[in-house]
Amino acid sequence: DGGITQSPKYLFRKEGQNVTLSCEQNLNHDAMYWYRQDPGQGLRLIYYSQIVNDFQKGDIAEGYSVSREKKESFPLTVTSAQKNPTAFYLCATGLNYGYTFGSGTRLTVV
Amino acid sequence: DQQVKQNSPSLSVQEGRISILNCDYTNSMFDYFLWYKKYPAEGPTFLISISSIKDKNEDGRFTVFLNKSAKHLSLHIVPSQPGDSAVYFCAALDSNYQLIWGAGTKLIIKP
Repeated sequence: DGGITQSPKYLFRKEGQNVTLSCEQNLNHDAMYWYRQDPGQGLRLIYYSQIVNDFQKGDIAEGYSVSREKKESFPLTVTSAQKNPTAFYLCATGLNYGYTFGSGTRLTVV
Repeated sequence: DQQVKQNSPSLSVQEGRISILNCDYTNSMFDYFLWYKKYPAEGPTFLISISSIKDKNEDGRFTVFLNKSAKHLSLHIVPSQPGDSAVYFCAALDSNYQLIWGAGTKLIIKP
């Protein structure tokens, strides 16, 4: 059945390490998004992509990188330049009037 | 500068009563609004939406009201049930079809 899959559900990394979060969709949606959620805050947009091989920075792109080589996949790399990477990360695909979200990845820096 | 504000971080309501979640926005160009519900460690799920050409939209126990002059919308849940305990996000669609999110309100339904 159609959906959006994020993996892994929980991820741990040491300070200074890069880590890549996976997001795959089979909804045939063009647009894909990465959000970050911190306690007491709304969802903040990291990066988005409206089409394959193109992506745009969101509000908090510093310390993150993405790629969009295939329509189905939009991986997010959290680099060592991200000062506060511990958070809940959500991937979404979007049509004009609503998004479908993945179940999220909780990243913890230890 | 927050364009979508949910000023109540949390709300506690007795089971069976009405829950009212509020949302204010600053950009009068917003013309479509959505409510999402989120359980811990899960992605948000779409709940209900409203276009600015309407002032009310109803779906079962959920009703959203829009007051354009006050730039205010509210989500009413009646009757409230234990499964409604979650974080509720208000969002507005901007001119680039991006969602602008509020900070969320945690709703706790007491038995």
